Amino acid sequence: DGGITQSPKYLFRKEGQNVTLSCEQNLNHDAMYWYRQDPGQGLRLIYYSQIVNDFQKGDIAEGYSVSREKKESFPLTVTSAQKNPTAFYLCASSIGAGFEQFFGPGTRLTVL
Amino acid sequence: AQSVAQPEDQVNVAEGNPLTVKCTYSVSGNPYLFWYVQYPNRGLQFLLKYITGDNLVKGSYGFEAEFNKSQTSFHLKKPSALVSDSALYFCALTGANNLFFGTGTRLTVIP
Repeated sequence: DGGITQSPKYLFRKEGQNVTLSCEQNLNHDAMYWYRQDPGQGLRLIYYSQIVNDFQKGDIAEGYSVSREKKESFPLTVTSAQKNPTAFYLCASSIGAGFEQFFGPGTRLTVL
Repeated sequence: AQSVAQPEDQVNVAEGNPLTVKCTYSVSGNPYLFWYVQYPNRGLQFLLKYITGDNLVKGSYGFEAEFNKSQTSFHLKKPSALVSDSALYFCALTGANNLFFGTGTRLTVIP
């Protein structure tokens, strides 16, 4: 997991609340990604960013938002519009598109 | 369209025996392929990659993978399994902007 940190490790949210998951990397990577992992479904891409101040929707962006104001940081906000947010969220980075990605330790979000 | 398939949800192998975790892919052009491992409640760890060159790629922890273009496969292998190899394994294929991941194969090494 070296070089990429995610916080918190566990997060509990009440229905109707927005929460923000932190992702920071010190690998000097240009590209950063957010994935959602549910049992038996592998990884699904939420958002990705190739460069600062630019990001693109992935396969399941509805109910999520991101920002990329700094190269090192790519926070993910899970909004109240996300109908089933309970999942394991993984952040990753790479030197560029198509290169191997390095993952953070993940944040497990539970909606109460 | 690009895709990756891992046909086995679960693989069981006895400790000390060779292991194989299967992966097939579909892509137009030359593929860049990756294997990752995930331990419980952890992020994914990079094991190895195939870009070009030798069809047998060696990676971390004694793992290797064989690229077979005619069969469009990239199977992960290890000559002698350890109990500590028990984990979830993902095959991935590079796309224009990100990686396409398979659904994962849970490997259990039985002592």
